[in-house]
Order: sequence, then C-alpha cells, then structure tokens
Amino acid sequence: GQSLEQPSEVTAVEGAIVQINCTYQTSGFYGLSWYQQHDGGAPTFLSYNALDGLEETGRFSSFLSRSDSYGYLLLQELQMKDSASYFCAVRGGGATNKLIFGTGTLLAVQP
Amino acid sequence: NAGVTQTPKFQVLKTGQSMTLQCAQDMNHEYMSWYRQDPGMGLRLIHYSVGAGITDQGEVPNGYNVSRSTTEDFPLRLLSAAPSQTSVYFCASSYSGTGGLNTEAFFGQGTRLTVV
Repeated sequence: GQSLEQPSEVTAVEGAIVQINCTYQTSGFYGLSWYQQHDGGAPTFLSYNALDGLEETGRFSSFLSRSDSYGYLLLQELQMKDSASYFCAVRGGGATNKLIFGTGTLLAVQP
Repeated sequence: NAGVTQTPKFQVLKTGQSMTLQCAQDMNHEYMSWYRQDPGMGLRLIHYSVGAGITDQGEVPNGYNVSRSTTEDFPLRLLSAAPSQTSVYFCASSYSGTGGLNTEAFFGQGTRLTVV
C-alpha cells in the first residue's frame, strides 16, 4: 500500500522561511508532488520531483531523497496569501499508477 | 480549454437517494480520478481510471461506482446515499506519468454534497 505523513499544522510570520516535511511508504514510486489548496478551493499543482535533489520555482522549492523516502516543500519570503493547506502526493509505479495524497499541512502565515 | 469541469457544485440528498456526479476533461488525459475530502483527512482516493474502459478502486471505494466509456468523461455514482458520504468531492485528471514524467493533476472545482 501507500501512505504519506506530514505535519498537520505549521505557523510562521510574513517574510520568514518554512519547511513542510513529507515521508512516504509506497510499493512503487515515480515521483513526489506538492499541491496547494486555499480554503474552499481546488488543489493546484506546485512542484514535482522524480529524482533526488532540489527543484526551485520562484519562492517555492521542493526536495526529494528517494533513499530516505522523504521530501519537503520550502517556502521562502512568506506572504499572507501563502496561508493554505499543502499536500504531498505520490504517484505509485507499476500498473496501477494511482495518485495518493497525504493528509495535508495547514500553513498559517501571521503578520 | 475548459480543463476539468465538474457538476454540480452543490447538492443535498436524502438518505437512500441516488445521484451521479459528472466530470469531464478536454485535455486528452488518460488518468482520471475521484477524491473525497473530509476535515483532517486530506484527499482520499475513491476510484480511478487509466483509460477508457479501465477503472480500479482507490482507498475508499465502498458505496461508489464509476465507469469510463470515453476518454473525456468519468462520472461517479452514489447508488444509495448515506450521511457518511457527506463530503467535498473532487475530480482530477492527468497524464499517466509513467517513466518519471511530470504528472500534474488538474482538479475540478469540487462538489459539496450533503446527505440528510
């Protein structure tokens, strides 16, 4: 089966840096994704890591270590609009290829 | 490009009623899926499909049926609604993502379902 663990809540102040961790267990693995969801909205894609290392997209970076089954999302220069839920997700390998999400981390950015 | 279109946006059902949530995508994606989202539970996979004529169960399939007769459409059927099915439902589509390719999932706007 597949399971993902991430912290339920994180609080930070504007301008700060925050890291949201994700550990996963999966029978097959193609890559680790991150999604953002504002309250009442649909999830939207942020980043994808298929290989070990850091991927940077503007203020957001995502890291993957396949050997540790671990990844994180790094948000820099936090803004109030970054207050949202963040989900890691794993696409399993093999025939099923299903996309499984973690339970989400609620990020509260304070002034 | 409409992306993923999900209807209805809101629905109230009585226990025992049936209904179908519609999902259509115009991106020629092979992979389509349904999730339910409950407070503190994240997005849980109900059913998914890797192509027309192929469906499979996800994490929480009981009480739901799906079919995939075309690439574009992936309806979710509740045969006999129960209060435990009160939730927000999201449909999503993406490329299959084999071989490590980027597999961004595009989501519909959600259906807020209440079963009384």
